[in-house]
Amino acid sequence: TQLLEQSPQFLSIQEGENLTVYCNSSSVFSSLQWYRQEPGEGPVLLVTVVTGGEVKKLKRLTFQFGDARKDSSLHITAAQPGDTGLYLCAGRLEGTGGFKTIFGAGTRLFVKA
Amino acid sequence: DTGVSQDPRHKITKRGQNVTFRCDPISEHNRLYWYRQTLGQGPEFLTYFQNEAQLEKSRLLSDRFSAERPKGSFSTLEIQRTEQGDSAMYLCASSPGTGGTDTQYFGPGTRLTVL
Repeated sequence: TQLLEQSPQFLSIQEGENLTVYCNSSSVFSSLQWYRQEPGEGPVLLVTVVTGGEVKKLKRLTFQFGDARKDSSLHITAAQPGDTGLYLCAGRLEGTGGFKTIFGAGTRLFVKA
Repeated sequence: DTGVSQDPRHKITKRGQNVTFRCDPISEHNRLYWYRQTLGQGPEFLTYFQNEAQLEKSRLLSDRFSAERPKGSFSTLEIQRTEQGDSAMYLCASSPGTGGTDTQYFGPGTRLTVL
């Protein structure tokens, strides 16, 4: 069974704090996406990482893909209340049967003003 | 292009009724996906289309569920004889179907409540 585990499941922090969210699997991904989802809405793409060891930055968000392409992290610097939401990672697996995208259960972040 | 759209955004129905949802993908995207998401979980794959061909179906997709993409553009997902356990957010996504990453872009979802 291919699983994508996210941690922590829930995080409540004060505005201005830093945080890191982790996404881990035993599977090797050809690419991995991070999405942010607000209540009642669909996930919105933040970034796609492809190469092992790749680091991408999006303003105060830093995404890293593990060297072995099995794990990823999302680091937020100086969190703001607008960062509140559900952060999902999704890994793309390719094999002889075609491809498959699996999602983690998400990390729910709440940033208090 | 305004992205992936879904209709309706919300649907409340009584158990046993049939419901149909529509998804309009990004216009140049060849692949279209349906997912189901319940509270506190990530999206679970249901099925996907490459143009008009339905290429994969999850075992989550019981025989009460059917999806079509007749002209390779919009898609419909129908649930027959709805059950309370069908209550969830139904998400549609599309992707180009070419290129290395083939990143999926999601619509706003249809929230189904079965009473």
